[in-house]
Amino acid sequence: EDQVTQSPEALRLQEGESSSLNCSYTVSGLRGLFWYRQDPGKGPEFLFTLYSAGEEKEKERLKATLTKKESFLHITAPKPEDSATYLCAVLRNAGGTSYGKLTFGQGTILTVHP
Amino acid sequence: DAGITQSPRYKITETGRQVTLMCHQTWSHSYMFWYRQDLGHGLRLIYYSAAADITDKGEVPDGYVVSRSKTENFPLTLESATRSQTSVYFCATAAAGGHQPQHFGDGTRLSIL
Repeated sequence: EDQVTQSPEALRLQEGESSSLNCSYTVSGLRGLFWYRQDPGKGPEFLFTLYSAGEEKEKERLKATLTKKESFLHITAPKPEDSATYLCAVLRNAGGTSYGKLTFGQGTILTVHP
Repeated sequence: DAGITQSPRYKITETGRQVTLMCHQTWSHSYMFWYRQDLGHGLRLIYYSAAADITDKGEVPDGYVVSRSKTENFPLTLESATRSQTSVYFCATAAAGGHQPQHFGDGTRLSIL
């Protein structure tokens, strides 16, 4: 069974204090790993897709990396507006163009204090 | 660019009633999904659709019915609502290809009394 474990469950940072969120996964054939941001009362907002080990993606203060067993979301010099829940999800390979099973982690609640 | 529109945003109903949650997309994405999000369980897939008239069960389908007569609409019906179906429901879409990320609507918060 595919599993996604995110740590820590909650993270409190001071503005400007860089840190990383972890997403450990086991999946039978990884098709892709997705990072999402979710604000209270909203749906998950897509951030990044990583397809293979060694791949990195960046967007503003966020950088996502991928190994064969885990992914990290690095936050550099965070601001209060980066406060949100960050979700990681792994997509299993279903073969061809079929959409496989997407398994979400429980998320990391990030709070950035000014 | 509206993307995904879910309606209603909030709904209160009573046990035993039928309720339908609507999802409309403007992207013409092939795939559409329904999830529920509950504390302690995260996001769980209820049903999904690969194209018009093609639907399949997800992880927690019991008590729910879906249809997809048009590519852009994917309604979710609770035939006889129960308190355990109180949750936040999200609709999502994904483009064809089998590897594209899912994009989510802003959800419907459903309370069943």
